[in-house]
Amino acid sequence: DSGVTQTPKHLITATGQRVTLRCSPRSGDLSVYWYQQSLDQGLQFLIQYYNGEERAKGNILERFSAQQFPDLHSELNLSSLELGDSALYFCASSALQGENGGYTFGSGTRLTVV
Amino acid sequence: DQQVKQNSPSLSVQEGRISILNCDYTNSMFDYFLWYKKYPAEGPTFLISISSIKDKNEDGRFTVFLNKSAKHLSLHIVPSQPGDSAVYFCAARPRLGFRGSQGNLIFGKGTKLSVKP
Repeated sequence: DSGVTQTPKHLITATGQRVTLRCSPRSGDLSVYWYQQSLDQGLQFLIQYYNGEERAKGNILERFSAQQFPDLHSELNLSSLELGDSALYFCASSALQGENGGYTFGSGTRLTVV
Repeated sequence: DQQVKQNSPSLSVQEGRISILNCDYTNSMFDYFLWYKKYPAEGPTFLISISSIKDKNEDGRFTVFLNKSAKHLSLHIVPSQPGDSAVYFCAARPRLGFRGSQGNLIFGKGTKLSVKP
C-alpha cells in the first residue's frame, strides 16, 4: 500500500457519459498530480494541484477538469467520454519538493469507454 | 515532441546477469532524473533518482548513470533477479519555474524487462 488511494479501481461506461475519479493523497502530502496512461503510451501529465490550488497543466482536454478539496483529496472529472479516453488514470502525491524529486503513485483507475 | 525517450520497448536478460535500461532526453532543462518500476495492476513505484549535478548514484543492486554531454542516462541492475521483471519508466523533472514547471515529471514510454530464471 503506497498510501495514495484511488477509487474506483475499474470503471466501465458508455460514450457521452461523465465520470468522476477520486484520489486521496498520502498523509502529509500537499501536491496531487493526475496522469493518463493509454495503450503503448507513457504516463502523460494532466494536471497538478497544491493545497487546493491548480499549479500546472499538461495535456488535459477541455472535457476534463479536476479539483482539490480542503481535506486535500482530489477528483478528476471526465465528461462527454469518447472511446479514446479509455486508459489508466493515475494519481500521485508529494510534498512540494521531495528530496529525490519524485512522488508516490496510487494503483490507478482503469477506465473503459464502450 | 517526446522530451524523454526510451527506445527499447522490451529487454530480456538471464537471471544473475546485468540488465541495462537506457533513456535519452532532449534538452538541459531537467534537474532530476528518476526511474520508476511498474508491476501489472499496480501504480509505478519510485526506484532511484539522480541529480543533474551528479553522474552516478548507487542503491544496492541498482545504479543510475548520467551522461549530460550525451543527454543519456541508464539504469544498471546487477545481478538481475526474476522479481525485477516489470516495466521500467524513466522520468525527468524540469527545473522549478522553467516554463511554469511546478515539479511535474515527464515520463518515457517504458521498457518491459523480463528476467528469465
